[in-house]
Amino acid sequence: GAGVSQSPSNKVTEKGKDVELRCDPISGHTALYWYRQSLGQGLEFLIYFQGNSAPDKSGLPSDRFSAERTGGSVSTLTIQRTQQEDSAVYLCASSLGSPGRGNTIYFGEGSWLTVV
Amino acid sequence: AQSVTQLDSQVPVFEEAPVELRCNYSSSVSVYLFWYVQYPNQGLQLLLKYLSGSTLVKGINGFEAEFNKSQTSFHLRKPSVHISDTAEYFCAVSDWFPGNTGKLIFGQGTTLQVKP
Repeated sequence: GAGVSQSPSNKVTEKGKDVELRCDPISGHTALYWYRQSLGQGLEFLIYFQGNSAPDKSGLPSDRFSAERTGGSVSTLTIQRTQQEDSAVYLCASSLGSPGRGNTIYFGEGSWLTVV
Repeated sequence: AQSVTQLDSQVPVFEEAPVELRCNYSSSVSVYLFWYVQYPNQGLQLLLKYLSGSTLVKGINGFEAEFNKSQTSFHLRKPSVHISDTAEYFCAVSDWFPGNTGKLIFGQGTTLQVKP
């Protein structure tokens, strides 16, 4: 597609429920990222996929958070047993290669998660 | 590990005045530096990036930034701001060396408020 696509754009869920957030990266981009944006917290790195390499999961805040990337394209971020502090905008991004090689990363519009 | 500090959480400025948004980083290796902008209710978009070469980098919308290795800074400047520049600005750093993923780490963000 033309840009990074995320769904749903808005999700309200009850505390304790599981949620799945989906990301379609730009076609041909091998690198995919998830970030979390909370009020006053800036952009928090969650997880990074690069090609067939093992993902960098160093930013996942707890074992309730997991992500997978199927076929090197679409990614799903899953939050189990959601808590109110999980409320945030979850941003997906992709790039042609690693930003460490200077590649620009492009962001989706985000999925706004509210846990009530 | 790399980190980014944006020294001002909010910067109010009058229209047509100059502005500087400050960013300092820490990294033990060579870095790539980025500024992203997030307009109200929109996703993030790249303003400019420093990879190598000239330390003065020009970006979109009249913004520029200067890489200062000795001071580990990458401050963003614009000589004359417009109301439409009101947005959240994020500085980000990526470093790459064998064994490191080169993921992008963001600062906390600076809100630029341009007043008429």
